Amino acid sequence: SQQGEEDPQALSIQEGENATMNCSYKTSINNLQWYRQNSGRGLVHLILIRSNEREKHSGRLRVTLDTSKKSSSLLITASRAADTASYFCATNTGNQFYFGTGTSLTVIP
Amino acid sequence: NAGVTQTPKFQVLKTGQSMTLQCAQDMNHNSMYWYRQDPGMGLRLIYYSASEGTTDKGEVPNGYNVSRLNKREFSLRLESAAPSQTSVYFCASRPRRVGVGTDTQYFGPGTRLTVL
Repeated sequence: SQQGEEDPQALSIQEGENATMNCSYKTSINNLQWYRQNSGRGLVHLILIRSNEREKHSGRLRVTLDTSKKSSSLLITASRAADTASYFCATNTGNQFYFGTGTSLTVIP
Repeated sequence: NAGVTQTPKFQVLKTGQSMTLQCAQDMNHNSMYWYRQDPGMGLRLIYYSASEGTTDKGEVPNGYNVSRLNKREFSLRLESAAPSQTSVYFCASRPRRVGVGTDTQYFGPGTRLTVL
């Protein structure tokens, strides 16, 4: 299975702090995506990084990709209570997508 | 635009009963997907349809069937429900692959299914 693993499984921080979560995957990729899932809701796409990119920014999000280690990290800066959610990384081979197990982030006001 | 819609939102079945989960998208996307989400397992792909008229198995297809009714609609059928199929089911769609960004999926709100 290409399913990735996120680390840590759960993370609790104070509002204003930065949150970092990591993702590892198993096979070569064209790109890697990060999604957010609020409790009881569907997943929402956050950011996509291509295999030839090492870092990408979008607002308060910073994603890095290390294809030699088959790993990616998502950094959320200056966290807010509204960032409380689960975060998943995903890779795909053609039409088949593989999601990690997710990191549950709690931001305490 | 409503995006991706799923019906029903909740369902309770008895073992052996059958039901169909409905999914529709109004974004003119080519590909559609069905996933199940279980605690600690992430999302696992059940079936997908790369384009109207085609369907393919994903990682966990056993016990399910699908129908790509037209470009908008993709249904998931449980012929004889089992307690192991208790899960949250998500439908997703994706635009036609023509460049960067088309690997993004758009998800529906989910159907929470309990099989007793």
